[in-house]
Amino acid sequence: AQSVTQPDIHITVSEGASLELRCNYSYGATPYLFWYVQSPGQGLQLLLKYFSGDTLVQGIKGFEAEFKRSQSSFNLRKPSVHWSDAAEYFCAVVPSTGGGNKLTFGTGTQLKVEL
Amino acid sequence: GAVVSQHPSRVICKSGTSVKIECRSLDFQATTMFWYRQFPKQSLMLMATSNEGSKATYEQGVEKDKFLINHASLTLSTLTVTSAHPEDSSFYICSARDSGSGTDTQYFGPGTRLTVL
Repeated sequence: AQSVTQPDIHITVSEGASLELRCNYSYGATPYLFWYVQSPGQGLQLLLKYFSGDTLVQGIKGFEAEFKRSQSSFNLRKPSVHWSDAAEYFCAVVPSTGGGNKLTFGTGTQLKVEL
Repeated sequence: GAVVSQHPSRVICKSGTSVKIECRSLDFQATTMFWYRQFPKQSLMLMATSNEGSKATYEQGVEKDKFLINHASLTLSTLTVTSAHPEDSSFYICSARDSGSGTDTQYFGPGTRLTVL
């Protein structure tokens, strides 16, 4: 079955420290890959996406993600975390063919930033 | 660009009444919009796919007569929760698919918090 896994439910980092949020997917073919961020009581904001080409993708707010086909992963990184980055992060995928353009979400990772 | 709005942001209603939530793509046309429901501290659950000019496609277990969806134009989709009950209280989020730019990306609205008393 197709699935998206975010192994870490909660992560706590100190402000200024580096961050990596993990995402693994299980699909027959490489899907389109997305990272979204959600602040409490808010909708989702698109951080970045991967369709094809360069496997290192730059997004907004200083985030980047690297697609690794061999590991079926699309991990999100940030070199230096800011207190305002505290939020819920969702990895999501859409099949590149068929699938009705439906997003499948991971369960999310709650990021806490210690000052 | 790629802004999606939802209205209202919060609504409180009495049990048995109906509530309409609007989702608008402000700067692009969206032939397809999606409606999600999110429970506290959980991920998003897709309820239905809204297609402009045709009937919505509902996910398994979602009552189409309970959650009426209308996609009247390329920038507006509405979700009406009919005869609402306390168990319908939730956070409802819509998204709009921007297919015109060729990136096939969904952009999300800010969500609507529904509380049924």
